[in-house]
Amino acid sequence: ETGVTQTPRHLVMGMTNKKSLKCEQHLGHNAMYWYKQSAKKPLELMFVYNFKEQTENNSVPSRFSPECPNSSHLFLHLHTLQPEDSALYLCASSHAGSSSYNEQFFGPGTRLTVL
Amino acid sequence: KQEVTQIPAALSVPEGENLVLNCSFTDSAIYNLQWFRQDPGKGLTSLLLIQSSQREQTSGRLNASLDKSSGRSTLYIAASQPGDSATYLCAVRLQSFNKFYFGSGTKLNVKP
Repeated sequence: ETGVTQTPRHLVMGMTNKKSLKCEQHLGHNAMYWYKQSAKKPLELMFVYNFKEQTENNSVPSRFSPECPNSSHLFLHLHTLQPEDSALYLCASSHAGSSSYNEQFFGPGTRLTVL
Repeated sequence: KQEVTQIPAALSVPEGENLVLNCSFTDSAIYNLQWFRQDPGKGLTSLLLIQSSQREQTSGRLNASLDKSSGRSTLYIAASQPGDSATYLCAVRLQSFNKFYFGSGTKLNVKP
């Protein structure tokens, strides 16, 4: 596998379910991101991890719980979601640090539908 | 807070035309600006990255320019093809640690 991978690609869940989204990057990066993309809205940054430490939480509801066990893996744990949480969830990675060379690379996304 | 605006929201052109997509941002203290392409229901593919010290970058038929002082970037696509049909997004990275802001995108349709 190369680049940034995400599983599952599609997920349908009820409001009482618990599920997890997985992201893995094979680029040697040390910063990882979760974004939410809803219809007709700009991408919303949810969480940022640098060297496994969370550095950004963009006022995301606690029903979304991120986990970054190492620099290559990122999870988003979901529980008691609402129908308005249905969206495309995108993972990205980049080199960390203050450099203008830092470029983000995205995974294919997980299309989440909450019933 | 950084605001990123992309105009137009949608564009339909005949094949072969040269076209320009616009991106504007309110805070000029950026590290870089990145242009992406997104096909329906898919992730983002990076097209070009312009560092804050650069004025333009080129890749094949694509040319991106950056004018930090006026808060603008343009993506020029030469000799457009139906395969260029997608949504084009710009994102700016602020001079704070790893924070990126995206525009809403321009949906491009190139007609055969």
